[in-house]
Amino acid sequence: GQNIDQPTEMTATEGAIVQINCTYQTSGFNGLFWYQQHAGEAPTFLSYNVLDGLEEKGRFSSFLSRSKGYSYLLLKELQMKDSASYLCAVHSGNTGKLIFGQGTTLQVKP
Amino acid sequence: DSGVTQTPKHLITATGQRVTLRCSPRSGDLSVYWYQQSLDQGLQFLIQYYNGEERAKGNILERFSAQQFPDLHSELNLSSLELGDSALYFCASSLKGGGATPGELFFGEGSRLTVL
Repeated sequence: GQNIDQPTEMTATEGAIVQINCTYQTSGFNGLFWYQQHAGEAPTFLSYNVLDGLEEKGRFSSFLSRSKGYSYLLLKELQMKDSASYLCAVHSGNTGKLIFGQGTTLQVKP
Repeated sequence: DSGVTQTPKHLITATGQRVTLRCSPRSGDLSVYWYQQSLDQGLQFLIQYYNGEERAKGNILERFSAQQFPDLHSELNLSSLELGDSALYFCASSLKGGGATPGELFFGEGSRLTVL
């Protein structure tokens, strides 16, 4: 089976740093994605990790440890517009489908 | 704009009815995926088509069916609707259909279905 866990909600302050964790158990692993989704809107791609380590892209970084089944998304210099849900998704198997976690709703406060 | 088009954007119908949701993938993308997102729930994978053929199936109910046409657009048919089917239905597309190197999924804006 497949299981992806992430915290349901997080709150952080504008200008701060926040780390959103994701743990996964899957049969096979071909990569991990992070997507951002504002309420009622389409998810948009943030990052992709297939090898262990940190991938940095501007204010957003994503880390992967395959041996621990663990990833995190790091958001720096938080802005109010970063208030959204952040979805962790795993690709396994030989199709292109992604299996998503429940998502973490991040609220950024002034 | 992801390039994926979904219609209708909103749909209100009654229990027992049948609806069809339509998706046009990005130009050149061969794979289409359907996901369901209920209130405060994550994205639940329903079904994937690749170049007209069913490629993967998730927790799709027997009352639901889908197909991908030669022009690569896809339709999701929902029948005998129940209150619990109220959700956002997202379509996504990607160039590739699978293998060890996944492609990024590009999502449409979704179709919001309300069953009364």
